[in-house]
Amino acid sequence: DVQLVESGGGLVEPGGSLRLSCAASGFSFSGYWIHWVRQVPGKGLVWVSHINNDGSYPNYADSVKGRFTLSRDNAKNTLFLQMNSLRAEDTAVYYCVRGYNHHFDYWGQGALVTVSS
Amino acid sequence: QSALTQPPSASGSPGQSVTISCTGTSSDVGVYNYVSWYQQHPGKAPKLVIFEVNKRPSGVPDRFSGSKSGNTASLTVSGLQAEDEADYYCNSYAGTHIWVFGGGTKLTVL
Repeated sequence: DVQLVESGGGLVEPGGSLRLSCAASGFSFSGYWIHWVRQVPGKGLVWVSHINNDGSYPNYADSVKGRFTLSRDNAKNTLFLQMNSLRAEDTAVYYCVRGYNHHFDYWGQGALVTVSS
Repeated sequence: QSALTQPPSASGSPGQSVTISCTGTSSDVGVYNYVSWYQQHPGKAPKLVIFEVNKRPSGVPDRFSGSKSGNTASLTVSGLQAEDEADYYCNSYAGTHIWVFGGGTKLTVL
């Protein structure tokens, strides 16, 4: 079965940093684009970032560009989202999501990131 | 990167049909046939129910269907059942490796 398991969430102060990881299993990890989608509790889904198969082309929503960095280690079937200069508005559940032909077919259970002093 | 527009709520009685709209622009919904829909129950991760405008993943009942006209996509749920009560989100590819979601619609089964 396809599984995506996020880790690394938690409480961080404004201006701080946090690194989320996403461990993938049950499919050929290097064959797929992977995305991060976030959701403020009680609010809607927002696309955050995407990375291509070999990790050479990450891209980001304007709201996180310059602060977040997405990378992947295909040998370890793992994705990393480095989040710097965190703001209160970055508080959300972050979902690791497998992409296929411009849709999102498998989702992790999410990792909660809380930015607060 | 403006969000797609969905009605905040929709409702119907068991057995009825409900249609949820998703309005974008000529830069996303209007130009790409990469509209997808996601169902999210409280406390759960979203689940794909429609992709590429009108295709259903394996395991999704054929009560769920999708369509598109111009800049507006639609999700129709026919033969409403209690378990269809959830939040529904549309998404569209917007070019240059950017994707945009709608604000979500809360579907209530009366």
